[in-house]
Amino acid sequence: QVQLVESGGGVVQPGRSLRLSCAASGFSFNTYAMHWVRQAPGKGLEWVAVTSYDGNKEYYADSVKGRFTISRDNSKNTVNLQMNSLRGEDTAMYYCARGIWSSSGCPDYWGQGTLVTVSS
Amino acid sequence: DIQMTQSPSSLSASVGDRVTITCRASQGINNYLAWYQQKPGKVPKLLIYAASTLQSGVPSRFSGSGSGTDFTLTISSLQPEDVATYYCQKYNSDPLTFGGGTKVEIK
Repeated sequence: QVQLVESGGGVVQPGRSLRLSCAASGFSFNTYAMHWVRQAPGKGLEWVAVTSYDGNKEYYADSVKGRFTISRDNSKNTVNLQMNSLRGEDTAMYYCARGIWSSSGCPDYWGQGTLVTVSS
Repeated sequence: DIQMTQSPSSLSASVGDRVTITCRASQGINNYLAWYQQKPGKVPKLLIYAASTLQSGVPSRFSGSGSGTDFTLTISSLQPEDVATYYCQKYNSDPLTFGGGTKVEIK
């Protein structure tokens, strides 16, 4: 079955960096787009970024553009989110999710999430 | 960017009631609309994609309709296990914006 397991969350000071990872299994990873979606405590869902099946196309929410970078390693079935210049408003649960298309598409399977807290 | 507006933001209904949630896009998105259910403390779950296609394993009391700018999620007979927050999301192009959510409770 499809499994997505995020890691790398934690407490980080404003302005610092953090790298999240997501390990995928149970499907042909190199044929699906992968997303990151976040949810601030008590708030709604916010789409963050997507990478195409081959990593050649990436798209970002305006709120993270220029600070976050999504990447994938199809040899290891992993997708990463490099987060730089972190701000308090980046505090959230970060979910890795599979897109229904190779290029993007809505997420169908989601991981359990990893919590990022940006605080001094 | 296209904005997604859900209404109502919350509702309370009795078990067995028919419940309708609406989602409006600020521009046309054809049928590239998904609906998610998020139960308290849980991970979001895809219910419907392509505006009206039920994801595998989702109970048939859930249905979706609409195209262009106006979409609807309907629960034909509300059950206690349907207590959750429901989100719409557009996915025709980036950014893949979510609606603000509709919290459904049992009266």
